[in-house]
Amino acid sequence: EDQVTQSPEALRLQEGESSSLNCSYTVSGLRGLFWYRQDPGKGPEFLFTLYSAGEEKEKERLKATLTKKESFLHITAPKPEDSATYLCAVQAGNSGYALNFGKGTSLLVTP
Amino acid sequence: GAVVSQHPSRVICKSGTSVKIECRSLDFQATTMFWYRQFPKQSLMLMATSNEGSKATYEQGVEKDKFLINHASLTLSTLTVTSAHPEDSSFYICSARQGGPGEQYFGPGTRLTVT
Repeated sequence: EDQVTQSPEALRLQEGESSSLNCSYTVSGLRGLFWYRQDPGKGPEFLFTLYSAGEEKEKERLKATLTKKESFLHITAPKPEDSATYLCAVQAGNSGYALNFGKGTSLLVTP
Repeated sequence: GAVVSQHPSRVICKSGTSVKIECRSLDFQATTMFWYRQFPKQSLMLMATSNEGSKATYEQGVEKDKFLINHASLTLSTLTVTSAHPEDSSFYICSARQGGPGEQYFGPGTRLTVT
């Protein structure tokens, strides 16, 4: 059975304090690994898709990396507006393109 | 680009009534749309997958007679919660896929409260 585990569950950072969020996964034939940002009461906002081990993608202060067992979302010099829940999801080769989500990491960045 | 809308954003209904939620892809044609449910402080759980012009595929444990899904066009899918009960109160979110293994784009969600 496909599994997605995110850690930590919650993370509190000071503005400018860089850190990483982890997403460990087991899946039958990874088609893609997705990162989303979700603000309270809103739908997930797409950040990245990674398809193969070794791949990296960047967007502003965020950088996502992928290995065969896990993905990291690195946040460099975060700002308070980066506060949100970050969701990781995997798409298996036999899933019909549906996403299997982890429980998310709730990030709070304080000034 | 890649905008998905949902309507309504919030709905309150009485137990036993039915509620319809619309999901639209505004600037692309969606070969597949997905419906998810999210309970407070929990992650998104897939309810069903719908392809335009065909019957939806429901996840195990999701009652297909209670959650009716219609995907009438490449830009519109609807979820109807029939005979709603308080335990159906949740945040319902749709997503749409353009094609291939690429990104899925999510709607803003619909908060359903059944009293």
